[in-house]
Amino acid sequence: KAGVTQTPRYLIKTRGQQVTLSCSPISGHRSVSWYQQTPGQGLQFLFEYFSETQRNKGNFPGRFSGRQFSNSRSEMNVSTLELGDSALYLCASSLGVGRPNTEAFFGQGTRLTVV
Amino acid sequence: QQQVKQSPQSLIVQKGGISIINCAYENTAFDYFPWYQQFPGKGPALLIAIRPDVSEKKEGRFTISFNKSAKQFSLHIMDSQPGDSATYFCAASIKRGSTLGRLYFGRGTQLTVWP
Repeated sequence: KAGVTQTPRYLIKTRGQQVTLSCSPISGHRSVSWYQQTPGQGLQFLFEYFSETQRNKGNFPGRFSGRQFSNSRSEMNVSTLELGDSALYLCASSLGVGRPNTEAFFGQGTRLTVV
Repeated sequence: QQQVKQSPQSLIVQKGGISIINCAYENTAFDYFPWYQQFPGKGPALLIAIRPDVSEKKEGRFTISFNKSAKQFSLHIMDSQPGDSATYFCAASIKRGSTLGRLYFGRGTQLTVWP
């Protein structure tokens, strides 16, 4: 069973640019969450999607946005990049249905460097 | 405000010894407590998880102990091996509707097991 796939693995962008990251969840999983990981702030929640709807949102500025498609694949977009956006962006997928099925499985992440 | 507090920040254990990592939380609405293991360059991998109606859960060399009244939970790694050297994160969440909801992570514990 394939795991969570995130593309690209590495990105280098310039301040002011925008970037789109992609996540393909485990087959059959309908919920996708995004997290930002930095040495200073640790793992921080960005947003969660289920059935193409945003269900939860973390405390990030509006420059951070996301969406989920009908096949459960998700993208997140960061506009007007700042140096502080340099981080490992992680996608997690879960079944999203029923209490026993709440385990979240992470992808390997996209390492974004803003210069 | 850190919703989940984790200690110690780093831990050095001899091969064959017991590694113990502790976490504490304040929000009594949390109903799911997973532990993740992360190797450099990889995403966090789900190790073991527990719900508040259980005081202990064991899977192989890994055990979670949960103290609901003290609002604390801990990870015990028995017979620690050099291959266990990684960063460990505790987390907590409140299941919302059909989805996992937001995971609140501790700041992580860097475990080093000396051969």
